[in-house]
Amino acid sequence: LAKTTQPISMDSYEGQEVNITCSHNNIATNDYITWYQQFPSQGPRFIIQGYKTKVTNEVASLFIPADRKSSTLSLPRVSLSDTAVYYCLVGAYSGGGADGLTFGKGTHLIIQP
Amino acid sequence: GAGVSQTPSNKVTEKGKYVELRCDPISGHTALYWYRQSLGQGPEFLIYFQGTGAADDSGLPNDRFFAVRPEGSVSTLKIQRTERGDSAVYLCASSPGLAFNEQFFGPGTRLTVL
Repeated sequence: LAKTTQPISMDSYEGQEVNITCSHNNIATNDYITWYQQFPSQGPRFIIQGYKTKVTNEVASLFIPADRKSSTLSLPRVSLSDTAVYYCLVGAYSGGGADGLTFGKGTHLIIQP
Repeated sequence: GAGVSQTPSNKVTEKGKYVELRCDPISGHTALYWYRQSLGQGPEFLIYFQGTGAADDSGLPNDRFFAVRPEGSVSTLKIQRTERGDSAVYLCASSPGLAFNEQFFGPGTRLTVL
C-alpha cells in the first residue's frame, strides 16, 4: 500500500508558479502517480498522470525524481480559479485494487489576488 | 451531455429508510466507481465495477450497502436502514478500462439522513 502525504494547505498569488509535493515512500514498481483537482460541490477532475521523470500537459507539469518516492505537481501562472483541493493518488494499472483509489485529504490551495 | 450523471442530486431521508442512488456512466466506459465524501475529507472508495461484476468491494462499510450494475452500464448504490452517519456526498466515476485509468466524476448525490 503506497500511502501518500501532502501538505494540508498552501497559499499563493495570481501569476505565480505553484508547486505541490506529494510523498510516497513505499511506491511499488508498477505504480503510477495521478493528480486530481476538486472544486467545491463538484466531483474531482483528472489533471495529470506520470510514472517517472517529467510529464507536461496544457494545464500542469508533473516532476518525478529517479527514486520515485515523491512527486511535484507544478501549476504555472496560477489564477484565482485555481483555488481548489488537489489530490495525489498512487496505484497500478493492473491489480491495483482499492489501494490506487485512495484520495486522502488533499492539499487545499488558496490563490489570492 | 456526454459526462457522468447522477440522480437524484439531493436526497433527504429519515433514519431507518432505504435509499437508491443512480449513476449513468459515460457511454462505453467499462469501469465504474462509487465513492462517498464527507465534509473536509477526500473521496472514500466504496466499490469498483469492471463490466457487470464488482472487481473490488472492499470499501463498502457494512452489509447495509450494496451496489449493482446488471447490464454493465447504469449502476445503483443501495443503502438499507440508513443511519445519520451515512450522510455524505456520494460520487460516481467511470473510466475506459483498468482501475487506474483517468476517472471521470459525476456531480454527486448529497444524501442527508435525518
